[in-house]
Formats: sequence, C-alpha cells, structure tokens
Amino acid sequence: GAGVSQSPRYKVAKRGQDVALRCDPISGHVSLFWYQQALGQGPEFLTYFQNEAQLDKSGLPSDRFFAERPEGSVSTLKIQRTQQEDSAVYLCASSRGPDYNEQFFGPGTRLTVL
Amino acid sequence: AQSVSQHNHHVILSEAASLELGCNYSYGGTVNLFWYVQYPGQHLQLLLKYFSGDPLVKGIKGFEAEFIKSKFSFNLRKPSVQWSDTAEYFCAVNAENYGQNFVFGPGTRLSVLP
Repeated sequence: GAGVSQSPRYKVAKRGQDVALRCDPISGHVSLFWYQQALGQGPEFLTYFQNEAQLDKSGLPSDRFFAERPEGSVSTLKIQRTQQEDSAVYLCASSRGPDYNEQFFGPGTRLTVL
Repeated sequence: AQSVSQHNHHVILSEAASLELGCNYSYGGTVNLFWYVQYPGQHLQLLLKYFSGDPLVKGIKGFEAEFIKSKFSFNLRKPSVQWSDTAEYFCAVNAENYGQNFVFGPGTRLSVLP
C-alpha cells in the first residue's frame, strides 16, 4: 500500500487480557516507530526499530509491553495483562531510514480497556 | 530530557483571521523540527519541517514556521485561515544524540468558524 496501515483500528479488551496490535510500514522503510497517544495529549514515544533490530525501547511503560519486527517489515506491539491506563491510541510510523527524519504515520489503533 | 510545549490548548478563529501557534522546546543542541496536523478522523500528516538553512520554512496549504534558535521556538503561522484548517496541530522535535524518536508537544486544537 501507499501508506502505513494498522490493524485493528479499534480494540476493546477486558482488563487482564492480552492484545496484539499490527503495523504494516511503507514498503522499503527501514525505520519503524511506535507511539502511544492518550486522549488530549501528543504522541509519546514507545520504541524504535531499524530493520529487525529494536534499537530503542526506552519509552515502553512496563514489562507488559513488548514489540517485535522479526523480518524487518511488519511489526507487532503486544500488551499483556492490559490495564485501564493502557487505554490510548497506538500509533505506528515509518521512515526511509536513520538519515531521513520525516516519519509517516498510520491511522492508529484505538485501544479501550474496560 | 527533551520537552516540547505548545502555548495554546484551544484556539478559536474566524475565517480569514491570521494564525500563530507557539512551540518551544528545551533541548540546546542541534534539532530537527516538525509541525504535524491531524484533521478530524484522519492520521497525522506532515505540514512542514526544518532541518537546517533558512529558518523560515514554508509548508503545505499556506503554512509557514520560523525557527528562532535563541528563543528555542518554532512557531507556526498562516496569514488567513480557512474552515478546512480546523484540526489538531502538533509540534515535534528530534534532537541530535537523543536517538531517532520524536518528542511531541501536547497539541493545539484549532477551530475555525465559518
């Protein structure tokens, strides 16, 4: 596709459930980012991949959050034992590489934890 | 740590009014600066970016921004807004030596009255 896609667009989970959010970056983009956007706030960085290598996971809020990009393209953000405070929009972005700073964002997955 | 502040939470203007949205950042080194826009129901889109050179940057849809290094500011301007400019506007900073991720401001909601 022409842009970054994410699925599902909406996810409702009961507290304690595990969820998996998928991101398909723009084809050929080396860098991939995950951000969390709480209601009324700007996006906050979670983690960064260059190809399949996770180079920065300093923004992951707890060890319940895990991200992977095993083949250097599609990425999955997994949240274990979801809590109400995990409710947010999860944004994925990709860029051509570390020397290209423009990030292209997907539509996000809105996660609601009941 | 980096931080980005945006002066206004919600701005309401009439069509044809001039717009200026403030953005300040805390990092003292080399920075790349961005303004993103999020129209209702849509994903984040890049309005304009500053990497180096002329501190007055022109973007899409008649927007421009001025980088003032001494003030750590990157304010967004448009001489005459339209109803279609109603959206959320986010300033973002990518600072050298802080990795590839962006630090976003909290956003400013712009409502343009017809």
